[in-house]
Amino acid sequence: GESVGLHLPTLSVQEGDNSIINCAYSNSASDYFIWYKQESGKGPQFIIDIRSNMDKRQGQRVTVLLNKTVKHLSLQIAATQPGDSAVYFCAENNQGGKLIFGQGTELSVKP
Amino acid sequence: ETGVTQTPRHLVMGMTNKKSLKCEQHLGHNAMYWYKQSAKKPLELMFVYNFKEQTENNSVPSRFSPECPNSSHLFLHLHTLQPEDSALYLCASSQEQGQRGYTFGSGTRLTVV
Repeated sequence: GESVGLHLPTLSVQEGDNSIINCAYSNSASDYFIWYKQESGKGPQFIIDIRSNMDKRQGQRVTVLLNKTVKHLSLQIAATQPGDSAVYFCAENNQGGKLIFGQGTELSVKP
Repeated sequence: ETGVTQTPRHLVMGMTNKKSLKCEQHLGHNAMYWYKQSAKKPLELMFVYNFKEQTENNSVPSRFSPECPNSSHLFLHLHTLQPEDSALYLCASSQEQGQRGYTFGSGTRLTVV
């Protein structure tokens, strides 16, 4: 069936380093992808999105890369800060109006 | 605050109890969603309402009963739950079903004892 999965359940980085969180998706018909950040005790918050007609999109300190050939999505966080510690989810919109979420990667930033 | 408010934040209930979760949004959105978030699992879509009409029931057991009286409010009525129903229940909204981004509430942490 359709699934979105993350390669690593946890990621630990040093403050100031760059972080890369990966995601694989299985539905080649998905045309829209979103990264969410979920801090402890809160619901998922939108970080950045990308449409399937793009390969890269940049935000403030974050970049999303989409490789449709291998159905891979990644989130890059520049100069990672303690406040970036959270669980990060990718989600795909499969044109049916439903978001399908991956398992999540827990990012831990060491001071 | 995201604009989507969920109450209560925490709920402990026995298996024979009846309780309700409430979600409220004043973003002018017309689609609302219930998701279940269990540990180590992806978010699971439970129900979708679009313009107050239920458009999706993702094979959810009947002990969960949603209600959407208007586009701003969404309820999840709970009765005779099981311990495995313990989870974080998240409400989300979007402009319409099929719209790209969802706005999530902070969730209700439910514990069934």
